[in-house]
Amino acid sequence: AQTVTQSQPEMSVQEAETVTLSCTYDTSESDYYLFWYKQPPSRQMILVIRQEAYKQQNATENRFSVNFQKAAKSFSLKISDSQLGDAAMYFCAYRRSRGGGADGLTFGKGTHLIIQP
Amino acid sequence: GAVVSQHPSRVICKSGTSVKIECRSLDFQATTMFWYRQFPKQSLMLMATSNEGSKATYEQGVEKDKFLINHASLTLSTLTVTSAHPEDSSFYICSARREVTDTQYFGPGTRLTVL
Repeated sequence: AQTVTQSQPEMSVQEAETVTLSCTYDTSESDYYLFWYKQPPSRQMILVIRQEAYKQQNATENRFSVNFQKAAKSFSLKISDSQLGDAAMYFCAYRRSRGGGADGLTFGKGTHLIIQP
Repeated sequence: GAVVSQHPSRVICKSGTSVKIECRSLDFQATTMFWYRQFPKQSLMLMATSNEGSKATYEQGVEKDKFLINHASLTLSTLTVTSAHPEDSSFYICSARREVTDTQYFGPGTRLTVL
């Protein structure tokens, strides 16, 4: 079974600075998807960024980028120019590609990101 | 954008009663929806996969007879917690898969409190 590990329960960063959230995973699959979701206090899950394992290029979305190291099974999220609105729980998630997308997500335990003004 | 709603957002019930939670995809059709459970300050755990027109697939350890799932249309899945007990109190979140983008969109969640 696949597992997702987030080893940082909490991270703190100064506003406008850069922060990196760590995620490692374990799977025997060769093709899969990785995600970062944000959960603010409202508890609405918001997709931040998505990476297909077959793509070598790291995904980016504005201030958010990932460092995907397939061999090391590592998938970190970098947030540049941190803003107060970035404060939230961040979850790393995995989904295999087989099954035509009909698989649910496996989530890590989350990292609570605090933005210091 | 793709919007998923859940109803109710909060529900309080007495022990032994049943509670139904609805998950709707508002602007797209979803043959597959998912139900997750989130305990306070913990992660989301997949409970089951809801397939339109067929039986749901439950994760190991999830009681099928306790958590009844019905996906009767391409925009609606329901989760019924039967004979609820205080330990069923939790935050329940659904997601709906939009096939064209192969992306799951999450509902806002339902907080269930069983007294």
